[in-house]
Amino acid sequence: GAGVSQSPSNKVTEKGKDVELRCDPISGHTALYWYRQSLGQGLEFLIYFQGNSAPDKSGLPSDRFSAERTGGSVSTLTIQRTQQEDSAVYLCASSSGGGRNTIYFGEGSWLTVV
Amino acid sequence: AQSVTQLGSHVSVSEGALVLLRCNYSSSVPPYLFWYVQYPNQGLQLLLKYTTGATLVKGINGFEAEFKKSETSFHLTKPSAHMSDAAEYFCAVRVGGSQGNLIFGKGTKLSVKP
Repeated sequence: GAGVSQSPSNKVTEKGKDVELRCDPISGHTALYWYRQSLGQGLEFLIYFQGNSAPDKSGLPSDRFSAERTGGSVSTLTIQRTQQEDSAVYLCASSSGGGRNTIYFGEGSWLTVV
Repeated sequence: AQSVTQLGSHVSVSEGALVLLRCNYSSSVPPYLFWYVQYPNQGLQLLLKYTTGATLVKGINGFEAEFKKSETSFHLTKPSAHMSDAAEYFCAVRVGGSQGNLIFGKGTKLSVKP
């Protein structure tokens, strides 16, 4: 597709379950980002990939959160043993090389933990 | 460390009035600055960006912003508000020359009254 694609768009899960969120970046984009957006917290940076490696994981809130990227393309954000405070919109974004270049966002995956 | 402050979590204007959304940044190195807009239940869309060169930047939908280094500001303006401008606006900073992540402000929700 032409834009950043995320799935699922909505996910309701029970507390304690694991969830996987998927991101398909724009074709050819080497950089990929995950952000979390929740009420009162704004947009929090989670992790950044350059190719398949993650030079910056500083935003991951706990060891229950992990992410990987394979083939320099698709990325998966995994949340283990979900908690209610994990409820948020998880936004993926991608960019081609260069700091001047625009970071393009997907429409997000809305996660609700009940 | 870089940071962004957006003054006013909620701004309300009348249709046809001037829109002014304030953004101040903190950066120890020359920054790249961005404004994004988010419509309800959608991802973020780039309005405009400043990297180098002309300090007055024009974006989509009639918006513009001026980079003022002496004031560490990058305020967003539009001469005449439309109802369709109602959305949430985010200012962001990125380390100049870096492909790293964006640091976002908390956002300003713009309401437009008929």
